Amino acid sequence: AQSVTQLGSHVSVSEGALVLLRCNYSSSVPPYLFWYVQYPNQGLQLLLKYTTGATLVKGINGFEAEFKKSETSFHLTKPSAHMSDAAEYFCAVSNYGGSQGNLIFGKGTKLSVKP
Amino acid sequence: DARVTQTPRHKVTEMGQEVTMRCQPILGHNTVFWYRQTMMQGLELLAYFRNRAPLDDSGMPKDRFSAEMPDATLATLKIQPSEPRDSAVYFCASALRDRSDYEQYFGPGTRLTVT
Repeated sequence: AQSVTQLGSHVSVSEGALVLLRCNYSSSVPPYLFWYVQYPNQGLQLLLKYTTGATLVKGINGFEAEFKKSETSFHLTKPSAHMSDAAEYFCAVSNYGGSQGNLIFGKGTKLSVKP
Repeated sequence: DARVTQTPRHKVTEMGQEVTMRCQPILGHNTVFWYRQTMMQGLELLAYFRNRAPLDDSGMPKDRFSAEMPDATLATLKIQPSEPRDSAVYFCASALRDRSDYEQYFGPGTRLTVT
């Protein structure tokens, strides 16, 4: 069975500081990995995804993530935090047994950005 | 700008009442998901449909929850009778394609409060 662990339910950074949100996955087959962002009172929005190919994936709003198979990790980073990045971030792995393709989500990490 | 729509956005009801939530997936998408989000459990997959047929509803309490797709433009999630523990935000998401690397597009959610 596939699973996702997000380390840290809350992360706080100062504006302009590096953002690092951690995600580790468990999968018996090569995974497809996703990061979603949820702003207050909104649905989830895709930030970026890894399927195959280049292991460093760039997404929207300056975020990127690197797939590291040896570490079973897919950490999300952004060099310089903005106030507008304050949101909750979810890592997900695709359960693609057969052609199902539903996502298994982590518990989420709430990012706070201090002025 | 194609979006998933959900109605109502907010619902307050008394225990024992029937609740119906509606979702309009993005036109042309062939897969629809229902999720529930709570502080304690995070995001849980309740059910999903492919080409209007239910593929998996193992996440749903069968005795009180039901999900249907009367047509390709409407998905419904019904709770009868509702209980206070059903209080949560319910999200609908839609996706295209039968492969696991497709993006799920989330609606804004229905915030349900059962008193």
